[in-house]
Amino acid sequence: AQKITQTQPGMFVQEKEAVTLDCTYDTSDPSYGLFWYKQPSSGEMIFLIYQGSYDQQNATEGRYSLNFQKARKSANLVISASQLGDSAMYFCAMITNTGNQFYFGTGTSLTVIP
Amino acid sequence: ETGVTQTPRHLVMGMTNKKSLKCEQHLGHNAMYWYKQSAKKPLELMFVYNFKEQTENNSVPSRFSPECPNSSHLFLHLHTLQPEDSALYLCASSPTRTGMNTEAFFGQGTRLTVV
Repeated sequence: AQKITQTQPGMFVQEKEAVTLDCTYDTSDPSYGLFWYKQPSSGEMIFLIYQGSYDQQNATEGRYSLNFQKARKSANLVISASQLGDSAMYFCAMITNTGNQFYFGTGTSLTVIP
Repeated sequence: ETGVTQTPRHLVMGMTNKKSLKCEQHLGHNAMYWYKQSAKKPLELMFVYNFKEQTENNSVPSRFSPECPNSSHLFLHLHTLQPEDSALYLCASSPTRTGMNTEAFFGQGTRLTVV
């Protein structure tokens, strides 16, 4: 069975500081993709970053980077230079080669403090 | 703006009402999804449509009835709901069902309250 675990229900970070949001996953499929989404209070899920299971390098997208540790089955999101607009829920998700759906974690609520 | 539009944004309905949620995408995607998001729970996949055909029904009660008339539109028909069905209902689309390297694009959701 596929599973995504986010152990941090809530996180706080000072503006302009970096923050790491944890995500671990479990799958027996050797081919999978990992995603991070941001959900502001408006409800929309916004795609942030993607990491493929066979990608050799960690994914980066602007201020977002994914710390992919395949042996530990972790895919932590690092947000550098936090901004007030980063305050939102963050969801880690996975899709496998044999699956036909995105599996989501329970999310982490990030609050950026001025 | 992700290109996936959901209406209405908010809905309050009684347990005896019948209502429908609408999702529309003009991204040329072939797969569309309905998710339910309840507080402090992971997003729950409800239905998957691939090329207008339903390919997944995750044991969803029959009071939820999906309809996909074409690749651009997806509906969720609601009738005789229960208060525990109150949640945020999210629609998503992706180019294909099993495209691992393509993200799902989500709408802004419909906040449903059943009274």
